[in-house]
Amino acid sequence: EPEVTQTPSHQVTQMGQEVILRCVPISNHLYFYWYRQILGQKVEFLVSFYNNEISEKSEIFDDQFSVERPDGSNFTLKIRSTKLEDSAMYFCASSAPTLVSPDEQYFGPGTRLTVT
Amino acid sequence: SQQGEEDPQALSIQEGENATMNCSYKTSINNLQWYRQNSGRGLVHLILIRSNEREKHSGRLRVTLDTSKKSSSLLITASRAADTASYFCATDAWGGGSEKLVFGKGTKLTVNP
Repeated sequence: EPEVTQTPSHQVTQMGQEVILRCVPISNHLYFYWYRQILGQKVEFLVSFYNNEISEKSEIFDDQFSVERPDGSNFTLKIRSTKLEDSAMYFCASSAPTLVSPDEQYFGPGTRLTVT
Repeated sequence: SQQGEEDPQALSIQEGENATMNCSYKTSINNLQWYRQNSGRGLVHLILIRSNEREKHSGRLRVTLDTSKKSSSLLITASRAADTASYFCATDAWGGGSEKLVFGKGTKLTVNP
C-alpha cells in the first residue's frame, strides 16, 4: 500500500542552524501538508501546498519556514534559523483529493527535531 | 475556540471490551477524520465521515456523526492489546478552499491483556 515517507526520522541541530526535513508524498496525490506536534500537545497545522504554491499557512509558519517541491517526488520543509521552541515532531501529509476519497490525509511517520 | 476536543482524555479497559471515545467541535465542517497514534509514532488514518453521513463502519470501528450536536464518537469493538494508542479526531472547515485539519488533544486508550 502506498505510504508517505519522511527522512530523517530524528534530527538533532543546534539553535540558529538551518534544517531541511524531507518528505515523499504518495505519488498520485496533489495536496501536501506539514504539521507539527510539540511533545504532549496537539498536532498543529503549519502549511498546505498545491499546484506548486502555498495554499494556506498558519501563524506558526513565519518567515523562518519555507516549503519546496524541488522535483516530482520530494516535498521539503526548511527552517532557516532554528529556535529551541521548534523542537517537535514534524509530520508530512498528502491527499488526493479525488471523488472517491476527497479529503483523507495520509501522514508520514514523522521527523523528530531536537534543537539544542 | 477549540476544535475537535476528545473525551475522555484517558481510557483504560480490558481486552475484549468495547471502547468509546467522543469528539466535539465548534464550527461547521466538511468531514471529520479519526486517527490513531502509537506512542511517539506517526498518525494512522482510521476513518473519514462526511458531514452528510451519520454512521460509518470499518472492521471493528464504528464512527457516528451528529452535526446538530457537533459531535462524533468512535467505537472500537472487541478491543485488543494492540489497540493501545492515542486516538484523535480532526476536522476540516466547511466552505472549501482549505484542507487544513484541526486536531483535538486525543484520547489515550490502554487495553489491558
